[in-house]
Amino acid sequence: DADVTQTPRNRITKTGKRIMLECSQTKGHDRMYWYRQDPGLGLRLIYYSFDVKDINKGEISDGYSVSRQAQAKFSLSLESAIPNQTALYFCATSVSTGELFFGEGSRLTVL
Amino acid sequence: GEDVEQSLFLSVREGDSSVINCTYTDSSSTYLYWYKQEPGAGLQLLTYIFSNMDMKQDQRLTVLLNKKDKHLSLRIADTQTGDSAIYFCAPDRGSTLGRLYFGRGTQLTVWP
Repeated sequence: DADVTQTPRNRITKTGKRIMLECSQTKGHDRMYWYRQDPGLGLRLIYYSFDVKDINKGEISDGYSVSRQAQAKFSLSLESAIPNQTALYFCATSVSTGELFFGEGSRLTVL
Repeated sequence: GEDVEQSLFLSVREGDSSVINCTYTDSSSTYLYWYKQEPGAGLQLLTYIFSNMDMKQDQRLTVLLNKKDKHLSLRIADTQTGDSAIYFCAPDRGSTLGRLYFGRGTQLTVWP
């Protein structure tokens, strides 16, 4: 089983719908992240959390929210999806040195 | 300019060496990482170098760091078709470990 698991792996939705992407990890890491990848671009940080009570915005948090339900779970929500949020979303975890461990990605298409 | 710049494409023949170059802007970066992404998969850490080092070798991989010029390179010796992937240079954001800058990635294609 993967150490960092994302669900769903693929999702197609319509403009205006609420979407939640979930991430769970078995690595025991305190730090969790949500990144977005667009074709031809590097990864951009949406939100990150250094522990259950700590949530921080990244570079592109507008239109997104997160919830850290437990040390092992970090979910990303799009309250009202729009087409330019079509992208590949990655959850990641890390230890204090900063090395990131990525999930396999959730591909979201907003029509 | 961008925080991290990499050339977008590199093609090499199987058995040759590949060199992927990266320039970055944040002089406070402490750890500088190289990640590999295969089609349909997440990113995997390949190697990293600490900012007080000039070079790090790890089997077929050699990382060179020129901190003065903020230039990082990844050399893959004896490149194989299985090395075909996208390679990301990712320096950290200095004071906030775990927050990384990511380049756009270099698509490495290895021809048999």
